[in-house]
Amino acid sequence: EDQVTQSPEALRLQEGESSSLNCSYTVSGLRGLFWYRQDPGKGPEFLFTLYSAGEEKEKERLKATLTKKESFLHITAPKPEDSATYLCAVRGGNTPLVFGKGTRLSVIA
Amino acid sequence: EAGVAQSPRYKIIEKRQSVAFWCNPISGHATLYWYQQILGQGPKLLIQFQNNGVVDDSQLPKDRFSAERLKGVDSTLKIQPAKLEDSAVYLCASTHFSGGSGNTIYFGEGSWLTVV
Repeated sequence: EDQVTQSPEALRLQEGESSSLNCSYTVSGLRGLFWYRQDPGKGPEFLFTLYSAGEEKEKERLKATLTKKESFLHITAPKPEDSATYLCAVRGGNTPLVFGKGTRLSVIA
Repeated sequence: EAGVAQSPRYKIIEKRQSVAFWCNPISGHATLYWYQQILGQGPKLLIQFQNNGVVDDSQLPKDRFSAERLKGVDSTLKIQPAKLEDSAVYLCASTHFSGGSGNTIYFGEGSWLTVV
């Protein structure tokens, strides 16, 4: 059974304080690892897809990396507008997308 | 490009009542999903459609939940009778097709259900 574990559950950062969010996964035949951002009262917003170990993708202050067992979402010099819940999900074989519980990020000015 | 549209955004009902949610996916997207997201949890798949056929409904509580996508475009998710534990956000999502590796799934804003 595909599983996704995200840590920490919540993270509080000062503006400009860089950090990383972790997503550990077990999946049979990875067909993609996805990062989404979810603001309160909104649906998940797509950020990145990673397909194979060693792959990296960047968007503004966010950088996602992938190994065979985990993915990291690095946040460089975060701003208050980066505050949100970040969801990680995996798709394997013919299985649907399986999500973790998310990391709630708060960036304080 | 218009996103995934859902309605209503918010609904409060009493337990044992019924409720229906509507979804219009992104134009041209053959695959449509309904997810349930309980507060503090990640979304959990309820049902997946490919055009108007059901691909996966293994996690749909069929004694009370039903969904249809009659013309392969819009979809409706119904709950009857509702229980307190059905309080959640119901997210509709779509993608071009599910067969390819890693096709991006786009989500709507969600329909928030409170059962009292």
